[in-house]
Amino acid sequence: KAGVTQTPRYLIKTRGQQVTLSCSPISGHRSVSWYQQTPGQGLQFLFEYFSETQRNKGNFPGRFSGRQFSNSRSEMNVSTLELGDSALYLCASSLDASTRGVQFFGPGTRLTVL
Amino acid sequence: AQSVAQPEDQVNVAEGNPLTVKCTYSVSGNPYLFWYVQYPNRGLQFLLKYITGDNLVKGSYGFEAEFNKSQTSFHLKKPSALVSDSALYFCAAISSGSARQLTFGSGTQLTVLP
Repeated sequence: KAGVTQTPRYLIKTRGQQVTLSCSPISGHRSVSWYQQTPGQGLQFLFEYFSETQRNKGNFPGRFSGRQFSNSRSEMNVSTLELGDSALYLCASSLDASTRGVQFFGPGTRLTVL
Repeated sequence: AQSVAQPEDQVNVAEGNPLTVKCTYSVSGNPYLFWYVQYPNRGLQFLLKYITGDNLVKGSYGFEAEFNKSQTSFHLKKPSALVSDSALYFCAAISSGSARQLTFGSGTQLTVLP
């Protein structure tokens, strides 16, 4: 099976712009989670989607939003970009919404905000 | 609130020697614990998990981890380190009774010296 794919792999934006990141989960997986990784804050949970519904949201401002489509693919949007949004954004998929389920991660999208 | 601590930012070990990467956790309820590894410019790769049962868990690439409930620890171990094991290792936890978001430790950079 193909793994989790994320597009694009690299992005450069300027402050104030918005950006959309895409994630395709492993075939058959219905849960998609997003994480932000920065050197200072480490790995932080953004949100989780299951069957097109947001089930859980981390402590991020409303500029961060997401959605999931009927084929389980997910997008994440960040509006009014700030310098501090520069990070590696990781998407993870799992089979279902069980807490014991393993989350499999994609390679990430490296976002640089200038 | 959940928390995961990895007390060592850096661990150096000689090739062929045993390695240990430490992790302690604080979660309410029964913990589900995971180890992931990250290579440069890559996403996180799943190594192993503890859900219930035997305290010694075996995972990918010869890694194993020991769950110790009284010490709230979940240390990653390998009997004989390889240079190719050099990478960033993350411990993660989730409470069986909580919403489904992984809490990660800050990561430990493992360097195996030839």
